[in-house]
Amino acid sequence: EVQLVESGGGLVQPGGSLRLSCAASGFTFSSYWMSWVRQAPGKGLEWVANIKQDGSEKYYVDSVKGRFTISRDNAKNSLYLQMNSLRAEDTAVYYCARRAMVLRSSIYYYMDVWGKGTTVTVSS
Amino acid sequence: AIQMTQSPSSLSASVGDRVTITCRASQGIRNDLGWYQQKPGKAPKLLIYAASSLQSGVPSRFSGSGSGTDFTLTISSLQPEDFATYYCLQDYNYPQTFGQGTKVEIK
Repeated sequence: EVQLVESGGGLVQPGGSLRLSCAASGFTFSSYWMSWVRQAPGKGLEWVANIKQDGSEKYYVDSVKGRFTISRDNAKNSLYLQMNSLRAEDTAVYYCARRAMVLRSSIYYYMDVWGKGTTVTVSS
Repeated sequence: AIQMTQSPSSLSASVGDRVTITCRASQGIRNDLGWYQQKPGKAPKLLIYAASSLQSGVPSRFSGSGSGTDFTLTISSLQPEDFATYYCLQDYNYPQTFGQGTKVEIK
């Protein structure tokens, strides 16, 4: 069964750090881009970061640049999100997602597998 | 950043109704657009990718159309399990951006 399981969420004080993990199973992890998406309480979805299969390309939403780092360990089938200098506005459920690709006239990407999410609360 | 504007923000409909949700991009995004369904307390679920391709396992009552700046998600005959919030997501360039969501409620 294709599965993503996030962990590492919790309560952290403003300015603190947290490292989220996402364990992948049931597919060849090293063949896929991966993503982090978050959702603040009562709000919509927000894309956070993407990482290429070999980790050579990484992209971030502006609000986390310089504070968050996406990484992966293909040998461990794991995706990570290191979050530093956390702010109250980073409070959210964080989802990891598989970014699949299809080749038609062009390459199209889409997030076809999602984990259940892990909750991060930034509060004093 | 490309802004994705969904309309309506919410709607009330009955089982069996035809429902249409639109998503407008602030600039052309070819057809690099997906539609996602989210139920309370659950992860999003992919419905449509590349604007009009139905994800495997998704019922055929869901369909997507559009290209450039204007996109539509249609549910041909609303079922009880379709009451949820729907989001569009552009994957044309970075940062990827979601629409604000459309909540489909029971009338």
